[in-house]
Amino acid sequence: EIVMTQSPATLSVSPGERATLSCRASQNVRSNLAWYQQKPGQAPRLLLYISSTRAAGVPAKFSGSGSETEFSLTISSLQSEDSAVYFCQQYNNWPPGFGPGTKVEIK
Amino acid sequence: QVQLVQSGAEVKKPGASVKVSCKPSGYTFSDFPISWVRQAPGQRPEWMAWIDVGNGNTKFSERFQGRLSVTWDTSANLAHMTLSSLGSEDTAVYYCARPLYRGSYLPFQYWGQGSLVTVSS
Repeated sequence: EIVMTQSPATLSVSPGERATLSCRASQNVRSNLAWYQQKPGQAPRLLLYISSTRAAGVPAKFSGSGSETEFSLTISSLQSEDSAVYFCQQYNNWPPGFGPGTKVEIK
Repeated sequence: QVQLVQSGAEVKKPGASVKVSCKPSGYTFSDFPISWVRQAPGQRPEWMAWIDVGNGNTKFSERFQGRLSVTWDTSANLAHMTLSSLGSEDTAVYYCARPLYRGSYLPFQYWGQGSLVTVSS
């Protein structure tokens, strides 16, 4: 089973700044990596898939990169509505697994 | 528009079973599998199983083998997830989810609103 890790666990950023979140897979997942945003009391929302393709309706401030075992999610010009937990998920191998999440806080 | 509407919260005693339902709408059901994902408080989501609505095929996470059932009710167009032999560690929000593309299983574009299952004596 592929193990997903994320760093940092918590990220505190000032409004207007940029945040970069990291995700690592224990094995090569090619580009089969998705990012989700989850706000309290809500289901996860798909942001990116195939590492860097934005899902429908996702603003361009969210961008992704990486392949194989190292991935990143960048959120530019952070606003209060971006405060959430962000999870990565590999879907190259079964079972599909999520990372532990990065909590993004706005200062 | 695509929607997945789930049944309400449940409180169960240890050792009991729970059944959660998911009613999809807004698309051709047989074109997409439905997955079940759970999330314990403060934890990452965990994929449990999927069912291919078109042919009834299923696939399960090994963690739940033997106590998890997922079905599709063709007459009611409802997906069901039944988890038995509940323990406190099964307290979580349970989601149904549909993938992005026809013919794929992942990633999950559409999610139900979640059903909280609390296991407590």
